[in-house]
Amino acid sequence: DIQMTQSPSTLSASVGDRVTITCRASQSISSWLAWYQQKPGKAPNLLIYKASSLESGVPSRFSGSGSGTEFTLTISSLQPDDSATYYCQQYNSYPRTFGQGTKVEIK
Amino acid sequence: EVQLVESGGGLVQPGGSLRLSCAASGFTVSTNYMSWVRQAPGKGLEWVSVIYSGGSTYYADSVKGRFTISRDNSKNTLYLQMNSLRVEDTAVYYCARARYYYESSYWGQGTLVTVSS
Repeated sequence: DIQMTQSPSTLSASVGDRVTITCRASQSISSWLAWYQQKPGKAPNLLIYKASSLESGVPSRFSGSGSGTEFTLTISSLQPDDSATYYCQQYNSYPRTFGQGTKVEIK
Repeated sequence: EVQLVESGGGLVQPGGSLRLSCAASGFTVSTNYMSWVRQAPGKGLEWVSVIYSGGSTYYADSVKGRFTISRDNSKNTLYLQMNSLRVEDTAVYYCARARYYYESSYWGQGTLVTVSS
């Protein structure tokens, strides 16, 4: 199974800060990676697919990059509404696997 | 508009069975890549199962042999039959549909399954 490791597990940043979350795969997954945002009590929401493609309707301050085993999700200017938990998921092979999540808090 | 509505969750004893449904509207289930993902209370997301448009299915090792994913084309509904339930199967179960490749673009609101004696 491919293990997905996110870092950090929690981060606290101020409004307007640039925030970066890293996701590392235990083996190459090419660009088959998605990023999701989840708020408490809600279903996850797709932000990025195929590592760097922005889902329709997602604010342009979100961006994704990487390929192979190392990926990043960047929020260029953190907004209060971005307080949430973020997950990466690989869909290169089965079983599909998620990272453990990164909780983003607003200072 | 794409909508997914899960139902069928509830309280069940260990060893029991439950069938979850995911009623779809705005698209055809049988021509799409459909998944089940679960989330135990206070925990992260866990992929459970998938069914391809061609009918191929895959399962997480933790549910293989106990859970079965299926669909009813006439009802445009996705199912997850869960047998031999364990306490560790307690979670909110979400159904999801891919839009571009095999990511989960559309999600239902989830249905809670509690396995407890």
